[in-house]
Amino acid sequence: KAGVTQTPRYLIKTRGQQVTLSCSPISGHRSVSWYQQTPGQGLQFLFEYFSETQRNKGNFPGRFSGRQFSNSRSEMNVSTLELGDSALYLCASSSGRWSLPGQPYEQYFGPGTRLTVT
Amino acid sequence: AQTVTQSQPEMSVQEAETVTLSCTYDTSENNYYLFWYKQPPSRQMILVIRQEAYKQQNATENRFSVNFQKAAKSFSLKISDSQLGDTAMYFCAFTSRAGGYQKVTFGTGTKLQVIP
Repeated sequence: KAGVTQTPRYLIKTRGQQVTLSCSPISGHRSVSWYQQTPGQGLQFLFEYFSETQRNKGNFPGRFSGRQFSNSRSEMNVSTLELGDSALYLCASSSGRWSLPGQPYEQYFGPGTRLTVT
Repeated sequence: AQTVTQSQPEMSVQEAETVTLSCTYDTSENNYYLFWYKQPPSRQMILVIRQEAYKQQNATENRFSVNFQKAAKSFSLKISDSQLGDTAMYFCAFTSRAGGYQKVTFGTGTKLQVIP
């Protein structure tokens, strides 16, 4: 199976601009989670989508939004970029369903998108 | 709410030696899974090892093993015969059922440096 892919891998934007990041999960996975990783704050959960619905949300301002399409691909949007938004944005996919014992419920991560805001 | 705590921000170990990374968690759930993830410098996060809470036997994957103490809510990772390639950030993660679906919580990470 192909792994989780994220595009673009690197991005440089200016303060005030907006940006859209894309994530394609592993085939068959319906859950996509987004994380922001910075040296100072570590790994912070942004939100999770399952079957096109946001079902978990972290503590981030409304400038951070996302969506998921019917093919489970997900996009994350950040509007009015600030310098502090510079980070590695990670996407992770999983089955997202708690149904069967013995199932591998781990998340699989993409390589990330390195966003630099100047 | 479930929490995951990694109390060692940084650790170092000599090559070929053994090192143990600590992780504690707090939950009222009885059915859950625990994971250790590894993120090498500038590289992708990958799963190292998983432990099902209903299994008493500690999981092992080659040089990696865990010490799972369910009553103490402790889940430490032991790396034997440390290699330079083990240098990475290590994240402990917990997942359980929350309202019928899966919820994942990560610790803050431990930066491990393997010294030649």
